[in-house]
Amino acid sequence: EVQLVESGGGLVQPGRSLRLSCVASGFTFDDHAMHWVRQVPGKGLEWVSGIGWSSDNIAYADSVRGRFTISRDNAKNSLYLQMKSLRPEDSALYFCVRDRNSFHFYGMDLWGQGTTVAVSS
Amino acid sequence: IVMTQSPLSLPVTPGEPASISCRSNQSLVDNKGYNCLDWYLQKPGQSPHLLIYLASNRASGVPDRFSGSGSATDFTLKISRVEAEDVGVYYCMQTLQTPLTFGGGTKVEIK
Repeated sequence: EVQLVESGGGLVQPGRSLRLSCVASGFTFDDHAMHWVRQVPGKGLEWVSGIGWSSDNIAYADSVRGRFTISRDNAKNSLYLQMKSLRPEDSALYFCVRDRNSFHFYGMDLWGQGTTVAVSS
Repeated sequence: IVMTQSPLSLPVTPGEPASISCRSNQSLVDNKGYNCLDWYLQKPGQSPHLLIYLASNRASGVPDRFSGSGSATDFTLKISRVEAEDVGVYYCMQTLQTPLTFGGGTKVEIK
Protein backbone atom coordinates (compact mmCIF):
# COMPACT_ATOMS: atom_id res chain seq x y z
CA GLU A 1 0.00 0.00 0.00
CA VAL A 2 1.22 3.45 -0.89
CA GLN A 3 1.36 5.42 2.32
CA LEU A 4 3.17 7.84 4.59
CA VAL A 5 3.15 7.28 8.34
CA GLU A 6 4.25 10.04 10.69
CA SER A 7 5.40 9.68 14.28
CA GLY A 8 7.20 11.60 16.98
CA GLY A 9 4.60 14.17 17.92
CA GLY A 10 3.69 14.94 21.49
CA LEU A 11 3.47 17.51 24.26
CA VAL A 12 6.64 19.53 24.78
CA GLN A 13 7.54 22.63 26.78
CA PRO A 14 8.40 25.90 25.04
CA GLY A 15 12.06 26.08 24.13
CA ARG A 16 12.48 22.32 23.96
CA SER A 17 13.10 20.11 20.95
CA LEU A 18 11.22 17.37 19.13
CA ARG A 19 11.99 15.18 16.14
CA LEU A 20 9.28 14.06 13.76
CA SER A 21 9.69 11.04 11.52
CA CYS A 22 7.83 9.80 8.48
CA VAL A 23 8.18 6.36 6.93
CA ALA A 24 7.18 5.88 3.32
CA SER A 25 6.04 2.63 1.77
CA GLY A 26 4.62 1.34 -1.49
CA PHE A 27 6.60 3.61 -3.80
CA THR A 28 10.17 4.52 -4.69
CA PHE A 29 10.99 7.07 -2.03
CA ASP A 30 13.99 8.67 -3.73
CA ASP A 31 11.92 9.40 -6.84
CA HIS A 32 10.21 12.18 -4.93
CA ALA A 33 10.87 15.41 -3.11
CA MET A 34 9.15 15.53 0.26
CA HIS A 35 7.56 18.15 2.47
CA TRP A 36 6.24 18.90 5.92
CA VAL A 37 2.97 20.84 6.06
CA ARG A 38 1.22 21.82 9.28
CA GLN A 39 -2.29 22.73 10.27
CA VAL A 40 -3.65 24.22 13.44
CA PRO A 41 -6.97 22.48 14.15
CA GLY A 42 -9.78 24.35 12.45
CA LYS A 43 -7.35 26.55 10.51
CA GLY A 44 -5.66 26.51 7.13
CA LEU A 45 -2.60 24.75 5.76
CA GLU A 46 0.95 26.07 6.19
CA TRP A 47 3.91 24.70 4.28
CA VAL A 48 6.83 24.22 6.67
CA SER A 49 9.71 22.76 4.69
CA GLY A 50 10.64 20.76 1.60
CA ILE A 51 13.58 18.62 0.50
CA GLY A 52 14.57 17.25 -2.89
CA TRP A 53 15.37 13.60 -3.49
CA SER A 54 19.12 14.06 -3.03
CA SER A 55 18.84 16.60 -0.20
CA ASP A 56 20.45 19.23 -2.44
CA ASN A 57 17.29 21.30 -2.63
CA ILE A 58 16.04 22.35 0.81
CA ALA A 59 13.76 25.21 1.76
CA TYR A 60 11.94 26.47 4.84
CA ALA A 61 9.10 28.76 5.76
CA ASP A 62 10.26 32.01 7.30
CA SER A 63 8.47 31.08 10.53
CA VAL A 64 10.72 28.05 11.14
CA ARG A 65 13.98 28.86 9.38
CA GLY A 66 16.90 28.56 11.76
CA ARG A 67 14.90 26.45 14.24
CA PHE A 68 13.75 23.48 12.16
CA THR A 69 15.88 21.14 10.06
CA ILE A 70 14.50 18.80 7.43
CA SER A 71 16.39 15.70 6.40
CA ARG A 72 15.84 12.34 4.75
CA ASP A 73 17.39 8.89 4.66
CA ASN A 74 16.60 7.27 1.33
CA ALA A 75 17.98 3.93 2.48
CA LYS A 76 15.37 3.89 5.23
CA ASN A 77 12.57 5.47 3.17
CA SER A 78 12.32 8.07 5.87
CA LEU A 79 11.80 11.81 6.23
CA TYR A 80 12.58 13.78 9.37
CA LEU A 81 11.91 17.16 10.90
CA GLN A 82 14.14 18.24 13.78
CA MET A 83 12.39 21.03 15.64
CA LYS A 84 14.29 23.17 18.16
CA SER A 85 13.39 26.19 20.27
CA LEU A 86 9.73 25.27 19.98
CA ARG A 87 7.10 27.94 20.50
CA PRO A 88 3.41 27.67 21.36
CA GLU A 89 2.61 28.84 17.82
CA ASP A 90 4.32 25.71 16.48
CA SER A 91 1.48 23.63 17.93
CA ALA A 92 -0.27 21.92 15.03
CA LEU A 93 -0.92 18.70 13.16
CA TYR A 94 2.16 18.02 11.06
CA PHE A 95 1.67 16.21 7.75
CA CYS A 96 4.36 14.37 5.83
CA VAL A 97 3.72 14.95 2.13
CA ARG A 98 5.11 13.55 -1.12
CA ASP A 99 5.88 15.82 -4.06
CA ARG A 100 5.05 14.89 -7.64
CA ASN A 101 8.61 15.80 -8.66
CA SER A 102 11.99 14.55 -7.55
CA PHE A 103 13.99 17.77 -7.25
CA HIS A 104 11.83 20.84 -7.76
CA PHE A 105 8.70 21.40 -5.70
CA TYR A 106 5.73 20.90 -8.03
CA GLY A 107 2.84 19.93 -5.80
CA MET A 108 1.81 17.34 -3.28
CA ASP A 109 0.20 14.12 -4.41
CA LEU A 110 0.28 11.96 -1.28
CA TRP A 111 -0.39 13.00 2.32
CA GLY A 112 0.06 11.18 5.59
CA GLN A 113 -2.45 11.28 8.43
CA GLY A 114 -0.32 13.63 10.49
CA THR A 115 1.25 13.71 13.92
CA THR A 116 0.23 16.24 16.55
CA VAL A 117 2.68 18.60 18.21
CA ALA A 118 1.57 20.57 21.26
CA VAL A 119 3.91 23.17 22.76
CA SER A 120 2.83 24.25 26.20
CA SER A 121 4.18 24.70 29.71
CA ILE B 1 3.56 35.08 -2.82
CA VAL B 2 0.16 35.79 -1.28
CA MET B 3 -2.75 33.60 -2.33
CA THR B 4 -6.30 34.87 -1.89
CA GLN B 5 -9.35 32.65 -2.26
CA SER B 6 -13.00 33.56 -2.57
CA PRO B 7 -15.55 33.01 -1.33
CA LEU B 8 -14.67 31.89 2.20
CA SER B 9 -17.82 29.81 2.34
CA LEU B 10 -19.87 28.34 -0.48
CA PRO B 11 -23.27 26.73 0.16
CA VAL B 12 -24.12 24.51 -2.80
CA THR B 13 -27.07 22.53 -4.05
CA PRO B 14 -26.38 18.95 -5.22
CA GLY B 15 -26.47 18.76 -8.97
CA GLU B 16 -25.70 22.44 -9.40
CA PRO B 17 -22.35 23.88 -10.51
CA ALA B 18 -19.91 25.58 -8.16
CA SER B 19 -16.90 27.79 -8.68
CA ILE B 20 -14.01 28.91 -6.46
CA SER B 21 -11.59 31.71 -7.25
CA CYS B 22 -7.92 31.91 -6.35
CA ARG B 23 -5.73 34.92 -7.01
CA SER B 24 -2.03 35.50 -6.48
CA ASN B 25 -0.23 38.81 -6.02
CA GLN B 26 2.26 37.91 -8.75
CA SER B 27 2.30 35.75 -11.85
CA LEU B 28 2.63 32.01 -11.26
CA VAL B 29 3.98 31.25 -14.74
CA ASP B 30 7.38 29.57 -14.60
CA ASN B 31 10.17 29.69 -17.20
CA LYS B 32 8.66 26.72 -19.02
CA GLY B 33 5.28 28.40 -19.36
CA TYR B 34 3.55 26.31 -16.71
CA ASN B 35 1.10 27.87 -14.30
CA CYS B 36 2.35 26.65 -10.92
CA LEU B 37 -0.97 26.38 -9.14
CA ASP B 38 -2.52 23.35 -7.47
CA TRP B 39 -5.91 22.70 -5.93
CA TYR B 40 -6.51 20.47 -2.91
CA LEU B 41 -9.60 19.24 -1.11
CA GLN B 42 -9.65 18.44 2.58
CA LYS B 43 -12.78 16.47 3.42
CA PRO B 44 -14.00 16.57 7.03
CA GLY B 45 -11.72 14.56 9.30
CA GLN B 46 -9.32 13.67 6.49
CA SER B 47 -5.95 14.76 5.19
CA PRO B 48 -5.95 16.97 2.09
CA HIS B 49 -5.64 15.38 -1.31
CA LEU B 50 -4.59 16.71 -4.68
CA LEU B 51 -7.31 17.58 -7.19
CA ILE B 52 -5.64 19.69 -9.85
CA TYR B 53 -1.97 20.37 -10.63
CA LEU B 54 -0.41 22.97 -12.90
CA ALA B 55 -3.69 24.87 -12.93
CA SER B 56 -5.67 22.56 -15.18
CA ASN B 57 -4.50 18.94 -14.90
CA ARG B 58 -6.68 16.54 -12.94
CA ALA B 59 -4.81 14.30 -10.56
CA SER B 60 -5.19 10.55 -10.85
CA GLY B 61 -8.61 9.31 -9.78
CA VAL B 62 -10.22 12.75 -9.63
CA PRO B 63 -13.71 12.79 -11.19
CA ASP B 64 -14.06 14.76 -14.39
CA ARG B 65 -16.69 17.03 -12.84
CA PHE B 66 -13.70 18.89 -11.36
CA SER B 67 -11.83 21.27 -13.66
CA GLY B 68 -9.21 23.94 -13.20
CA SER B 69 -8.59 26.97 -15.37
CA GLY B 70 -6.82 30.29 -15.36
CA SER B 71 -3.42 31.75 -15.91
CA ALA B 72 -0.84 34.08 -14.37
CA THR B 73 -2.62 35.52 -11.32
CA ASP B 74 -6.24 34.47 -11.69
CA PHE B 75 -7.42 30.87 -11.32
CA THR B 76 -10.70 29.03 -10.95
CA LEU B 77 -11.78 25.61 -9.75
CA LYS B 78 -15.12 24.48 -11.09
CA ILE B 79 -17.35 21.60 -10.11
CA SER B 80 -19.79 20.95 -12.94
CA ARG B 81 -22.38 19.18 -10.78
CA VAL B 82 -21.78 19.11 -7.06
CA GLU B 83 -22.23 15.86 -5.20
CA ALA B 84 -22.66 15.40 -1.46
CA GLU B 85 -19.18 13.86 -1.21
CA ASP B 86 -17.60 17.09 -2.46
CA VAL B 87 -18.07 18.91 0.84
CA GLY B 88 -14.97 20.08 2.61
CA VAL B 89 -12.39 22.84 2.42
CA TYR B 90 -10.72 23.59 -0.91
CA TYR B 91 -7.26 25.13 -0.99
CA CYS B 92 -5.18 26.54 -3.79
CA MET B 93 -1.40 26.52 -3.49
CA GLN B 94 1.38 28.06 -5.52
CA THR B 95 4.53 26.09 -6.30
CA LEU B 96 6.37 28.73 -8.32
CA GLN B 97 8.74 29.61 -5.54
CA THR B 98 9.48 28.90 -1.93
CA PRO B 99 8.04 29.44 0.52
CA LEU B 100 5.16 27.51 -1.01
CA THR B 101 1.95 29.24 0.01
CA PHE B 102 -1.67 28.20 0.33
CA GLY B 103 -4.81 30.20 -0.02
CA GLY B 104 -6.93 30.58 3.09
CA GLY B 105 -9.43 27.95 1.98
CA THR B 106 -13.03 27.83 0.79
CA LYS B 107 -15.48 25.77 2.77
CA VAL B 108 -18.03 24.05 0.55
CA GLU B 109 -21.15 22.79 2.25
CA ILE B 110 -24.49 21.47 1.12
CA LYS B 111 -27.44 23.85 1.42
